[in-house]
Amino acid sequence: LAKTTQPISMDSYEGQEVNITCSHNNIATNDYITWYQQFPSQGPRFIIQGYKTKVTNEVASLFIPADRKSSTLSLPRVSLSDTAVYYCLVGAPLTGGGNKLTFGTGTQLKVEL
Amino acid sequence: DAGITQSPRHKVTETGTPVTLRCHQTENHRYMYWYRQDPGHGLRLIHYSYGVKDTDKGEVSDGYSVSRSKTEDFLLTLESATSSQTSVYFCAIMGRDSGNTIYFGEGSWLTVV
Repeated sequence: LAKTTQPISMDSYEGQEVNITCSHNNIATNDYITWYQQFPSQGPRFIIQGYKTKVTNEVASLFIPADRKSSTLSLPRVSLSDTAVYYCLVGAPLTGGGNKLTFGTGTQLKVEL
Repeated sequence: DAGITQSPRHKVTETGTPVTLRCHQTENHRYMYWYRQDPGHGLRLIHYSYGVKDTDKGEVSDGYSVSRSKTEDFLLTLESATSSQTSVYFCAIMGRDSGNTIYFGEGSWLTVV
């Protein structure tokens, strides 16, 4: 299982770009990288997923270097509503025998005015 | 919304009593998970299921049992609740996309007094 390491917390201001990096040195060949956002009293919510290079959707970008040992979630022009905990998850597609997907402790992002 | 319903959403129980949390899904997903979330520990996997009657332990399975007698329901049982099991419990399913996207329910808040 790929263990992930993220910063415990980050602070930012409205309108800035925020980059959160996750380290996953023992990522396996078949592993995907997925990021989740969680607000208080809610379940984690899917943000973005990638395998290699760069992925962009309407809310974020995900940068994955060639060696795939880390990944960076980029949130453009954050607002107060982006204050949340962000989790990086690394795991393989289903192979039939079950798949234990283990989360790290997440990064608490605080956005201020 | 992945069609996940958790019940009960909130429960207070006494030490030593049995408690069962239910996770119900409506989209015929094969993989289902139970996580607990505590301050400072992030999301920790308790048990997961990869099919009817097929379950396996996660990283914090002691004191918990699960059952999956039909595809749509995954039950988490605390045989004899302890105060250390006071937590928020999240059920999750794995989607059918090419990666390993997990979709979470809204959580069940359990307090053991």
